[in-house]
Amino acid sequence: DAMVIQNPRYQVTQFGKPVTLSCSQTLNHNVMYWYQQKSSQAPKLLFHYYDKDFNNEADTPDNFQSRRPNTSFCFLDIRSPGLGDAAMYLCATSRAPGQVNSYEQYFGPGTRLTVT
Amino acid sequence: QKEVEQDPGPLSVPEGAIVSLNCTYSNSAFQYFMWYRQYSRKGPELLMYTYSSGNKEDGRFTAQVDKSSKYISLFIRDSQPSDSATYLCAILNTDKLIFGTGTRLQVFP
Repeated sequence: DAMVIQNPRYQVTQFGKPVTLSCSQTLNHNVMYWYQQKSSQAPKLLFHYYDKDFNNEADTPDNFQSRRPNTSFCFLDIRSPGLGDAAMYLCATSRAPGQVNSYEQYFGPGTRLTVT
Repeated sequence: QKEVEQDPGPLSVPEGAIVSLNCTYSNSAFQYFMWYRQYSRKGPELLMYTYSSGNKEDGRFTAQVDKSSKYISLFIRDSQPSDSATYLCAILNTDKLIFGTGTRLQVFP
């Protein structure tokens, strides 16, 4: 089945210790998104890639970086995690704007990050 | 004013009840309106979408958009315990989704 996969599902890191979260997709979608979702809050878009074009949200802290080495993979790097970065991180994909059903985003199961 | 506002609940109903979930939005230019369902510790999945105004029905679920009042609704008929989840409304703004905070629904047997 075509899907969005996130690894690991649970990640514990120490305050200030860099961490990388991984997302892969078998849908061959052009667009990949990273969201941060804190408890009982709406998913908040951090950034997205349209192919290799990186689009950062204005209020995403510099502490958050991303890489997309190819169509299938996308990584979220948190350079110096703080306690406030503990959250669920969701990866999503979609077709390019203008393509059929491009409005639909497909989400992975998320990575729950704990910062100690 | 937030772009999308949603009553967070929680909402607890008996099996078989009709459930009404609602959101309001601020920008009249929005055209695509979605409902996502998110089970505990899982990613959201698209339940229904509506383009512009009107109703859309899919089995026990009906999505409704009233653009004049900037109000979107999701109705669930004959609710089941398996419907217990958080329901997020979302609006597509060009290529970005703007989510509401989600309403947590519990359907008890």
